[in-house]
Amino acid sequence: EAQVTQNPRYLITVTGKKLTVTCSQNMNHEYMSWYRQDPGLGLRQIYYSMNVEVTDKGDVPEGYKVSRKEKRNFPLILESPSPNQTSLYFCASRGGVTDTQYFGPGTRLTVL
Amino acid sequence: GEDVEQSLFLSVREGDSSVINCTYTDSSSTYLYWYKQEPGAGLQLLTYIFSNMDMKQDQRLTVLLNKKDKHLSLRIADTQTGDSAIYFCAESGSGGYNKLIFGAGTRLAVHP
Repeated sequence: EAQVTQNPRYLITVTGKKLTVTCSQNMNHEYMSWYRQDPGLGLRQIYYSMNVEVTDKGDVPEGYKVSRKEKRNFPLILESPSPNQTSLYFCASRGGVTDTQYFGPGTRLTVL
Repeated sequence: GEDVEQSLFLSVREGDSSVINCTYTDSSSTYLYWYKQEPGAGLQLLTYIFSNMDMKQDQRLTVLLNKKDKHLSLRIADTQTGDSAIYFCAESGSGGYNKLIFGAGTRLAVHP
């Protein structure tokens, strides 16, 4: 089954404690991206990757890092989380004949 | 700049038609999308339309595109309680393949 998986699904942490949210896709897509969803703001892109070792900033990259060492994985790294990064995060991959974007189930992050 | 706007809430009676509207600013968008988000879940692609089309129908869903007014709509015929969700409009924007620009989402509530 084609899917995008994220872990963890829920995370509560404290300010300054480094964390990583993993994302994996099994569709051999070259393009992957991270979004955050906040009430009334829709989804905003954090980072995207066109292929292995190729990443670029989206609209709201501050406070985040990503890496793309292999095609299937695209982890999101918060080196020093702050409360304003409390949000719902979605990973997505895009490709195939219809160039469809598939979303993961989301990771709800709370930074205290 | 690029922007997508939607009304935030729509309430309809079961069996009626729902029409969710969206306006966008980037006339260079190649694709326009409708995504559905059910509670606690990720975004699911409902349908998309190429910018050179005026209308697309897929079972109970009808998408209308008015390029002149930069207006996109999603009509759901015979709305059911299972259609209750948040619906996001998105455009591919001038970034083309790089990102999608999402509206804030319209929460559709279906009541008996």
